[in-house]
Amino acid sequence: AQKVTQAQTEISVVEKEDVTLDCVYETRDTTYYLFWYKQPPSGELVFLIRRNSFDEQNEISGRYSWNFQKSTSSFNFTITASQVVDSAVYFCALSELRSSGSARQLTFGSGTQLTVLP
Amino acid sequence: DAGVTQSPTHLIKTRGQQVTLRCSPKSGHDTVSWYQQALGQGPQFIFQYYEEEERQRGNFPDRFSGHQFPNYSSELNVNALLLGDSALYLCASSLGQEETQYFGPGTRLLVL
Repeated sequence: AQKVTQAQTEISVVEKEDVTLDCVYETRDTTYYLFWYKQPPSGELVFLIRRNSFDEQNEISGRYSWNFQKSTSSFNFTITASQVVDSAVYFCALSELRSSGSARQLTFGSGTQLTVLP
Repeated sequence: DAGVTQSPTHLIKTRGQQVTLRCSPKSGHDTVSWYQQALGQGPQFIFQYYEEEERQRGNFPDRFSGHQFPNYSSELNVNALLLGDSALYLCASSLGQEETQYFGPGTRLLVL
């Protein structure tokens, strides 16, 4: 069975600090996808990034960067120079590729509540 | 480009009642998944619909059922509501085997 662990329940930083959100996953499959979603207080999950298990290159998008390491089964997310608007709950998720080719469900971690203080 | 929409936004029901939640997928998407998110937890997969059929189901009882219409919109039905069914119900859409699921704003259900 697949599992996603986000050990950090809550993180609080001061604006302009860098912050890293940890994500560790478990899966028996060799082919899978990893995701990060942001959930502001409004409740809607906002898609941030998707990574294929075959692609371990780190990715940077503006102030966001992601570090994918298969050797440690981790997919960590770093926000550089954090801003108050970054305050939200962040979820890491895993999707396994099914042999039937259909219906890939997302398995989510429990989320990390990030609070950025002005 | 219309995103995923859900209705209603909020709902209050009493134990034993039945509820129907609705979802319209993002334009061009044909697959709809439903998730339940209890307070302080991550979303849990309920089921997914593609080509008007339930393709995969999570660990939820038969009280939870769904339907997908020819226009790809979907409904989630919950019968014999329990207090523990109080949660945020999220709908996500995707394009066939496309891996990225895009979520709607959710329906907050409170069972009294």
